[in-house]
Amino acid sequence: QSALTQPPSASGSPGQSVTISCTGTSSDVGGYNYVSWYQQHPGKAPKLMIYEVTKRPSGVPDRFSGSKSGNTASLTVSGLQAEDEADYYCSSYAGSNDLKFGGGTKVTVL
Amino acid sequence: EVQLVESGGGLVQPGGSLRLSCAASGFAFSGYWMHWVRQVPGKGLVWVSRVGAAESDTDFADSVKGRFTISRDNGKSTFYLRMNSLRPEDTAVYYCARGGPYKYDAQDHWGQGTMVTVSS
Repeated sequence: QSALTQPPSASGSPGQSVTISCTGTSSDVGGYNYVSWYQQHPGKAPKLMIYEVTKRPSGVPDRFSGSKSGNTASLTVSGLQAEDEADYYCSSYAGSNDLKFGGGTKVTVL
Repeated sequence: EVQLVESGGGLVQPGGSLRLSCAASGFAFSGYWMHWVRQVPGKGLVWVSRVGAAESDTDFADSVKGRFTISRDNGKSTFYLRMNSLRPEDTAVYYCARGGPYKYDAQDHWGQGTMVTVSS
């Protein structure tokens, strides 16, 4: 049950875009279209930002978008804003008895 | 409004037991998969366990299999994590989260977490 692989950090200036990768295997990310992304501010609970690779829950700005190619999923935040500074985690369904999270990426708005 | 409220965390000695509860409100609880996810302060999220609408549908991370059990009481809109044989490495903030009608659904609502500390 190894974690999915994310870069530890990413950054961008206000208004720019940042993309975070999430690499798994054919048993998780590559095998299912059930990749999710969560935003977590310090001391707060995670918040769902993307589900089923590309879908946004109600209330999530369309600056947040998701994609997948093979065993790697990506989250792109366009038009970076100060409030986007947070930790981001990917997650993938990994079969009938497992669920995996990535190690997290700290996004800094310069 | 969907709300999830955890309780039951605290300090316990290695080898001890603890039961966490998660009280849900604002939705039809019995139709949803429910999850426990933990996070060591300053570290990443780690999935622990989930329970389906049928209490017999349960899954566990390898790290807790055989030590933790998960259950639910649909009449009380509450689900539980019974943690036995606790180890220092189980120390973490434990979040409960709502999934969806299907096992593969994302966790769209989370509680605020309850801290579990395993230490002598």
